[in-house]
Amino acid sequence: QVQLQESGPGLVKPSETLSLTCTVSGGSISSYYWSWIRQPPGKGLEWIGYIYYSGSTNYSPSLKSRVTISVDTSKNQFSLKLTSVTAADTAVYYCARFARKGWFFDLWGRGTLVSVSS
Amino acid sequence: DIQMTQSPPSLSASVGDRVTITCRASQGITNSLAWYQHKPGKAPKLLLYAVSRLESGVPSRFSGSGSGTDYTLTISSLQPEDFATYYCQHYSSTTWTFGQGTKVEIK
Repeated sequence: QVQLQESGPGLVKPSETLSLTCTVSGGSISSYYWSWIRQPPGKGLEWIGYIYYSGSTNYSPSLKSRVTISVDTSKNQFSLKLTSVTAADTAVYYCARFARKGWFFDLWGRGTLVSVSS
Repeated sequence: DIQMTQSPPSLSASVGDRVTITCRASQGITNSLAWYQHKPGKAPKLLLYAVSRLESGVPSRFSGSGSGTDYTLTISSLQPEDFATYYCQHYSSTTWTFGQGTKVEIK
């Protein structure tokens, strides 16, 4: 079955760029929308942005100035870059797939904790 | 922005209990509501979408209802594997907002 796996550094210094990759296994990245979602410790889930396999993107207005999501269909991966991070960006970051049936998420990764600290 | 308020934040229940979790939207959301189950260290799992449509493979003891601003997730007979945190989510083509979660614990 299709699975998602997040990967990337677990520790990022303040003011630097957070970079994560989501690898799609067991299926194709094509013809789906893919998203990043995060959950700071003790807080709720926050949608970050999405990308279509063709490359079109949409970002949360609150993060838009710092976020870039890209896709590499040859590797079946999509990636997140978040610039100028602060402690407030410490969170578990999840990648997820939008369902074909609607704008909800029918598949998630297990998440990866990224801490921002010097 | 539409805000989603879940209640209660946590509850304790026994195997076999009927459990109800509530999600209230700050404005009407035209039935664009999904529910997820999340266990520690695991990927969140879609349970229901469009308020009451059961995702494939999800047991029928899970059900959803509601309209307008008020929605509920009901587990008709709690099973050991159901102890987890549950999230509601409003969705559209431009915005995605989650509730704060309800942790269902063993009594």
